[in-house]
Amino acid sequence: EAGVVQSPRYKIIEKKQPVAFWCNPISGHNTLYWYLQNLGQGPELLIRYENEEAVDDSQLPKDRFSAERLKGVDSTLKIQPAELGDSAVYLCASSLDGNSGNTIYFGEGSWLTVV
Amino acid sequence: DQQVKQNSPSLSVQEGRISILNCDYTNSMFDYFLWYKKYPAEGPTFLISISSIKDKNEDGRFTVFLNKSAKHLSLHIVPSQPGDSAVYFCAARSGNTPLVFGKGTRLSVIA
Repeated sequence: EAGVVQSPRYKIIEKKQPVAFWCNPISGHNTLYWYLQNLGQGPELLIRYENEEAVDDSQLPKDRFSAERLKGVDSTLKIQPAELGDSAVYLCASSLDGNSGNTIYFGEGSWLTVV
Repeated sequence: DQQVKQNSPSLSVQEGRISILNCDYTNSMFDYFLWYKKYPAEGPTFLISISSIKDKNEDGRFTVFLNKSAKHLSLHIVPSQPGDSAVYFCAARSGNTPLVFGKGTRLSVIA
């Protein structure tokens, strides 16, 4: 069974440029998450989707970040414009649903460097 | 305010010995706890979990212990192997709230 797939794995951009990350969750998983991981820190939630609905986006900096999950499967996370402080790993994850007993599975991450 | 704390940033253990990774939490509403393992340049990989109705869960070399009164959980790896060298994250959640992660503990297993 394929895991959570993310692309691109690595991206280097200049500040003020836009960037987009794509995620394909595990088949059948209704809940999709985007996490941000800074160096030396644990992952922190940016946004959570139940099917195509964003049910928790309280930590998403909406002035420059946006996300969508059309048709309730794949998702994209966009940053426009990127800032130096956005350099981090962007992790996509999925689970069967949002209940606590369901394990959350992570992709390999998209590593962003803003120069 | 950190709800999940891993107070040891690193741990070194000899191959064959027991590794004990600790985690403390402050939110008494947490009802599900997970451990993730992360290798460099990879995403976190689920390792083992425990529900708040249990105090122990075992899977091969890995055992997680939960002490609800102390709001403490620990991951035991025995025997430790060089391939276990990674960063281990403790995470917790309640109901359908998001997973809250600790900052991680880097385990080095020395051959």
